[in-house]
Amino acid sequence: SQKIEQNSEALNIQEGKTATLTCNYTNYSPAYLQWYRQDPGRGPVFLLLIRENEKEKRKERLKVTFDTTLKQSLFHITASQPADSATYLCASYTGGFKTIFGAGTRLFVKA
Amino acid sequence: EPEVTQTPSHQVTQMGQEVILRCVPISNHLYFYWYRQILGQKVEFLVSFYNNEISEKSEIFDDQFSVERPDGSNFTLKIRSTKLEDSAMYFCASSEELQETQYFGPGTRLLVL
Repeated sequence: SQKIEQNSEALNIQEGKTATLTCNYTNYSPAYLQWYRQDPGRGPVFLLLIRENEKEKRKERLKVTFDTTLKQSLFHITASQPADSATYLCASYTGGFKTIFGAGTRLFVKA
Repeated sequence: EPEVTQTPSHQVTQMGQEVILRCVPISNHLYFYWYRQILGQKVEFLVSFYNNEISEKSEIFDDQFSVERPDGSNFTLKIRSTKLEDSAMYFCASSEELQETQYFGPGTRLLVL
């Protein structure tokens, strides 16, 4: 079945460093991948969308890559800040109208 | 900035009772979705709705669930006879086009006792 997998272990980094989160997909070829931020008890907030024909996308301190050979997307936050601490979700359409989500990676940025 | 809104923010109900969760999607959006997230687990797709009908549903969305767009602005999820395992956060989302960004509401936390 179609799956999205994210590193379930929390990522702890120091303020100012770059955080890199990984999303791997199996058993399908998504036309695009999306990254969301989720804070505890809140709804996912859209951050970036990258299509299969785009290798890289940037928005301010955020960068996403999409490698269809490795079946992987990397999400980078440069110059990280404590306010970046949250859970980051990877998601994609699987065809039709359905979207699947990864379990998310919790990021902790220490001051 | 337009946003998706959901009511109520919290709902407590007894097992076997019916609940209706309400959502107001972004006004020019055409595609509407419901998701649930059990505490500590991933966001799970329930159903998508387009052109006044269900376009796709997951295996979770059984006969106990129904969706409706009763007027031009509201989008509702009804659970006919709630079970303990229906306790979760329920998120509504909407998008302007298919395969475009989905914008999520703040969620309704449902607790079934």
